[in-house]
Amino acid sequence: QLQLQESGSGLVQPSQTLSLTCAVSGGSISSGAYSWSWIRQPPGKGLEWIGYIYHTGSTYYNPSLESRVTISIDRSKNQFSLKLTSMTAADTAVYYCARGGTAPSHFASWGQGTLVTVSS
Amino acid sequence: DIQMTQSPSTLSAAVGDRVTITCRASQSIRTWLAWYQQKPGKAPKLLIYKASSLESGVPSRFSGSGSGTEFTLTISSLQPDDFATYYCQQYNSDYTFGQGTKLDLK
Repeated sequence: QLQLQESGSGLVQPSQTLSLTCAVSGGSISSGAYSWSWIRQPPGKGLEWIGYIYHTGSTYYNPSLESRVTISIDRSKNQFSLKLTSMTAADTAVYYCARGGTAPSHFASWGQGTLVTVSS
Repeated sequence: DIQMTQSPSTLSAAVGDRVTITCRASQSIRTWLAWYQQKPGKAPKLLIYKASSLESGVPSRFSGSGSGTEFTLTISSLQPDDFATYYCQQYNSDYTFGQGTKLDLK
């Protein structure tokens, strides 16, 4: 059974860079049939897709965040990562990693999420 | 950007009720729509994809319909475990979610 687990910095200072990793188990991140996404949810609010990556390294980002986002993949560790620069309080959210099909796609598998707070 | 609008924002219902949640897209998304259920402190769970396809393991009391710009999620007979927040998501062009519908106990 596929499992995704987020990890990384839970507290980020304003203007700094967020770094998160999603470890994938129960399946290979190198499968060509899937896209690997990051999605976030501010406290008490709705969901916002951030971007995705394929096993080839090909990426696609939400245009509203594109200038600040980098998603990368490490096939040897079966994981993918998110970097979000110039963090502000508006970036405080639960960050989820998720697996989709060949994009665009729905998201069938999600990590449990990790809360990231932007504060000095 | 394609905007997704759900209605109602909050829905009060009783166990056994039949409930319907609506999701409207700002332009046609054909049938590229998914529905998710989210409980407090948990990740969203996929219920329906491609507007009407039931995800494996999801009870048959959940159903989806629609195409183009108007879609519905129906729960035929509410069970205690169904009280949660529901989101629609379009994947015709990029990905956007509706604002959510909170289903609570009347």
